[in-house]
Amino acid sequence: GENVEQHPSTLSVQEGDSAVIKCTYSDSASNYFPWYKQELGKRPQLIIDIRSNVGEKKDQRIAVTLNKTAKHFSLHITETQPEDSAVYFCAATRGGGSYIPTFGRGTSLIVHP
Amino acid sequence: EAEVAQSPRYKITEKSQAVAFWCDPISGHATLYWYRQILGQGPELLVQFQDESVVDDSQLPKDRFSAERLKGVDSTLKIQPAELGDSAMYLCASSQAGVSEAFFGQGTRLTVV
Repeated sequence: GENVEQHPSTLSVQEGDSAVIKCTYSDSASNYFPWYKQELGKRPQLIIDIRSNVGEKKDQRIAVTLNKTAKHFSLHITETQPEDSAVYFCAATRGGGSYIPTFGRGTSLIVHP
Repeated sequence: EAEVAQSPRYKITEKSQAVAFWCDPISGHATLYWYRQILGQGPELLVQFQDESVVDDSQLPKDRFSAERLKGVDSTLKIQPAELGDSAMYLCASSQAGVSEAFFGQGTRLTVV
């Protein structure tokens, strides 16, 4: 089955700095890569996603890059703000009829004012 | 905005008792997932339904866990008997057919004492 590794497990930055979270996946059949943000006590919510036919996608301060050859994808947050503090999860979804998302273990991002 | 509904939000049960969780996905979403999330970790898939059929339950401990989605709409996850190690957040998610965003419910936090 799919295996998703996510690093780092904890990331501490100063407000205004950039933050980068990296994930690797094992199944070359995975073709959809969402990123979720989970604030304390709340449900995970999608913040950005990318499909395998695209190398990069950007939405305001958030961007995701995908390297299919190396099987890794990254989340980039620029100009971080305290409200960006949360746990971020990457996922890789295998297509081909089953569409099963496999999640990474999460990165706890702390943005210090 | 449509949401995935779960109940109860919190459940405390004694070891060896039976417990059940309910999920109502977003209307029209054919795919329904049950995830278990241990504190500090990413969601771990227990079972995935496509309409009323199980797509994947390879990680479901079938000696004590069962899940059903009889009419292809709402779903119930049952644990019998509950064990101390079952204490976790149980998240339900749904998505449209095919590879797309999964929307999560608020979850049921289970504590087994």
